Amino acid sequence: GAVVSQHPSRVICKSGTSVKIECRSLDFQATTMFWYRQFPKQSLMLMATSNEGSKATYEQGVEKDKFLINHASLTLSTLTVTSAHPEDSSFYICSARDGSRLAGKRNEQFFGPGTRLTVL
Amino acid sequence: DAKTTQPPSMDCAEGRAANLPCNHSTISGNEYVYWYRQIHSQGPQYIIHGLKNNETNEMASLIITEDRKSSTLILPHATLRDTAVYYCIVRVDYGGSQGNLIFGKGTKLSVKP
Repeated sequence: GAVVSQHPSRVICKSGTSVKIECRSLDFQATTMFWYRQFPKQSLMLMATSNEGSKATYEQGVEKDKFLINHASLTLSTLTVTSAHPEDSSFYICSARDGSRLAGKRNEQFFGPGTRLTVL
Repeated sequence: DAKTTQPPSMDCAEGRAANLPCNHSTISGNEYVYWYRQIHSQGPQYIIHGLKNNETNEMASLIITEDRKSSTLILPHATLRDTAVYYCIVRVDYGGSQGNLIFGKGTKLSVKP
């Protein structure tokens, strides 16, 4: 299947710093990208949806000024956690939807391997 | 809230078929049933999806009841590497418009030797 990469895979930072996580679709054009967060022993929670070239749509309860999302190209989206605090420690997972019109591939959605963020 | 109900956990013997049930009694006509799985500390992996007909691919089979209110994911010969949390998700896919994948709690499948 298609490949979605995330970088970094793991990051540890001090409280108050900002952390940027990159999400790339490696072999397809992602018209829509999604960011999820997963706390230990819990399910994935959708944070926001972004379409290339437009502002992200955030889910209820997610602070858009704290979690900055940029989707500047069809293969790259970034999530910046600003002024991170220990409660932001989590597993962040991006997902990309294949906008191809090829039969069998339309609108398939693929997930990255995740980024483990630890804020000290 | 997720629109599906799954048992929290299941065990399966290695080499046997694993049958994972999912209830989606409020599913609407333009909603598909999707299955993903998540192996510990990894991103979710797509398994299969369907609308009303049974589906099969190299990973699994999906059996959807005639009334579409429930479905079963079948892993025909489970291996230890199939140990994961399995998520059943219903999502709108109609006329170019597609809903978001909203994850419930899933079923933790443990394949035992």
